[in-house]
Amino acid sequence: AQKITQTQPGMFVQEKEAVTLDCTYDTSDQSYGLFWYKQPSSGEMIFLIYQGSYDEQNATEGRYSLNFQKARKSANLVISASQLGDSAMYFCAMRDNQGGSEKLVFGKGMKLTVNP
Amino acid sequence: GAGVSQSPSNKVTEKGKDVELRCDPISGHTALYWYRQSLGQGLEFLIYFQGNSAPDKSGLPSDRFSAERTGGSVSTLTIQRTQQEDSAVYLCASSSLGLPEQFFGPGTRLTVL
Repeated sequence: AQKITQTQPGMFVQEKEAVTLDCTYDTSDQSYGLFWYKQPSSGEMIFLIYQGSYDEQNATEGRYSLNFQKARKSANLVISASQLGDSAMYFCAMRDNQGGSEKLVFGKGMKLTVNP
Repeated sequence: GAGVSQSPSNKVTEKGKDVELRCDPISGHTALYWYRQSLGQGLEFLIYFQGNSAPDKSGLPSDRFSAERTGGSVSTLTIQRTQQEDSAVYLCASSSLGLPEQFFGPGTRLTVL
C-alpha cells in the first residue's frame, strides 16, 4: 500500500524567503504520481503541483517546485519568495491505483505560517 | 469555468438520522471521488466513480455509507443512521480522463449531535 509521511507539524517562514516542505513516500509500484495540495483556512483543497515517477525533470508551477529524489523516495515542495497568502495547511499525496481507482493517499499535512 | 460544487456547506443532524450530501463535478470530468477529513484521521478516501464503470467502494467505512452517481454527473453520498464519529468534512473531487490532478469542492461540514 502507498504511504505518505510528512513529519513537520508546522513551520514558520519570513515573507519573501524560500521554504521547503518535506514529504517522503513508500510504494512498491514502478509507476506512480505525487501531488501537493494547499488547504487555506477556508477549507478548500487547492491543487499545486504534480510529479510523475517517470518525469525526468522536477515539476515547476510558478513559485512552486517539487524536489523529486526518487532513490530517497522524497518529494519535497519548495515555495520561493513566500507570501502572506501562502499561510495554510499543505498536504502531500500519492495516487493509489489499486482496485482500479486512482484515489489519493494523503499525508497528515503540515501548517505553514508566513510572517510579515 | 465553474469548479466542483457541494451542498449543503454545513449540516447539523441528530444521531440516528439519515443525511444526503451532494456533489456537482466540473462539467466534462468523468471521474468523481469522495473523501472525508476528520481531526483524528486526516483525509480518507471513501468512493470513486469513473464513467459507467463499477465504483470503487473500498474506502466506505461501513454499510451505513452509500453513494450514487446519476447520469455520469451529480453524485449523492448518503449516510444512514448517523453516528457522532461521522462528524467530519466530506470533500468531493473530480478529474478529467487522462489528467492526474483532482479538483476539490469546498466540502460539506457534517456535525452529528
